[in-house]
Amino acid sequence: DGGITQSPKYLFRKEGQNVTLSCEQNLNHDAMYWYRQDPGQGLRLIYYSQIVNDFQKGDIAEGYSVSREKKESFPLTVTSAQKNPTAFYLCASRHTGTSGSVEQFFGPGTRLTVL
Amino acid sequence: QKEVEQNSGPLSVPEGAIASLNCTYSDRVSQSFFWYRQYSGKSPELIMSIYSNGDKEDGRFTAQLNKASQYVSLLIRDSQPSDSATYLCAVLLSGGYNKLIFGAGTRLAVHP
Repeated sequence: DGGITQSPKYLFRKEGQNVTLSCEQNLNHDAMYWYRQDPGQGLRLIYYSQIVNDFQKGDIAEGYSVSREKKESFPLTVTSAQKNPTAFYLCASRHTGTSGSVEQFFGPGTRLTVL
Repeated sequence: QKEVEQNSGPLSVPEGAIASLNCTYSDRVSQSFFWYRQYSGKSPELIMSIYSNGDKEDGRFTAQLNKASQYVSLLIRDSQPSDSATYLCAVLLSGGYNKLIFGAGTRLAVHP
């Protein structure tokens, strides 16, 4: 069963804690992305990775960190430095078709709440 | 000016009608455009991609692209209550790392 999985579905964090959100894909996609969505707003890019062992900051990287040790996995750590982390976090991966299409697909998301 | 703009809605249409969703973008050289559907509490689902000027049809959905006017639209024919969702327009920025820019979305409500 191919796709993108994210865990956990819901996550609660206390002030000052670091938490790690998991993202795994078995689609053999090279590129992976992390977005944040706040109520009534569009998606904002946190980090992205185009190949293993390489990643770049997106528009709102402060307070977050990532790693890309395997093609299938792109975990996101929300650190205590992120002052307003309550949001819906979405992982995505990108397909590049033979026609040059660049379609991006999303996992089911993790809803993070700071207590 | 926002890079991708959409009317937030809600756009309310009766069941069976055509729903028309619009999106404008600022990057003149963008070549790839996408429509995602997002149900409340769920992740976005890709429903249409369009790369060339004109219309692209897939079932009840038609995407329309006009690069000269920098707008892309989505038409949903024979709207159903199950189409009620937020529709996100996304534009792939030119150059670099294939960065998708999303609009804030238009909420569509189809009433019986």
